[in-house]
Amino acid sequence: EDKVVQSPLSLVVHEGDTVTLNCSYEVTNFRSLLWYKQEKKAPTFLFMLTSSGIEKKSGRLSSILDKKELFSILNITATQTGDSAVYLCAVVSNTGNQFYFGTGTSLTVIP
Amino acid sequence: DGGITQSPKYLFRKEGQNVTLSCEQNLNHDAMYWYRQDPGQGLRLIYYSQIVNDFQKGDIAEGYSVSREKKESFPLTVTSAQKNPTAFYLCASSKTSAYNEQFFGPGTRLTVL
Repeated sequence: EDKVVQSPLSLVVHEGDTVTLNCSYEVTNFRSLLWYKQEKKAPTFLFMLTSSGIEKKSGRLSSILDKKELFSILNITATQTGDSAVYLCAVVSNTGNQFYFGTGTSLTVIP
Repeated sequence: DGGITQSPKYLFRKEGQNVTLSCEQNLNHDAMYWYRQDPGQGLRLIYYSQIVNDFQKGDIAEGYSVSREKKESFPLTVTSAQKNPTAFYLCASSKTSAYNEQFFGPGTRLTVL
């Protein structure tokens, strides 16, 4: 059965800390892995990863994929209260163009 | 402005009634998706449509129905057969079904009383 597992389920940190969110997957016929940030309503796109070992970076956020070990990490450095959100990982399969979402990691950044 | 709209934002219905959730996009995207989000369970795919007049069941299609008569619109009907319909429903679209990035609407929170 195809699945995406994120850890930890929730995380509370202080402003300025660095966090690492994990996403592991077992998905047949992998095409890509995506990270989303969901604050109150709709998820917003962060990164798309298709190749192993190539870091994607946007400001304080970065992400990398390991297709051999079947996982990805999302790093956030110098966290701010505005980073508080649920971070969703999704894996896209070539089979039926299906998206498989993890349960998300809830990040709370306290001042 | 281009984007995806969902209406209404909040919806209350009595048990046993069918209800239709609206999803419209003006991004000229071919593919559209409906997800359900419950606490602690992430997003689960209900139905998706790769092109007009075509749609496929996702993981949890039972108790739901969709139509795709126009490219811009992908309404979801929650029928009385859906045993636990109270949830947050998200609609998304992508340029094509082979294009990875999905754009999400703001969501509709359905509460069945």
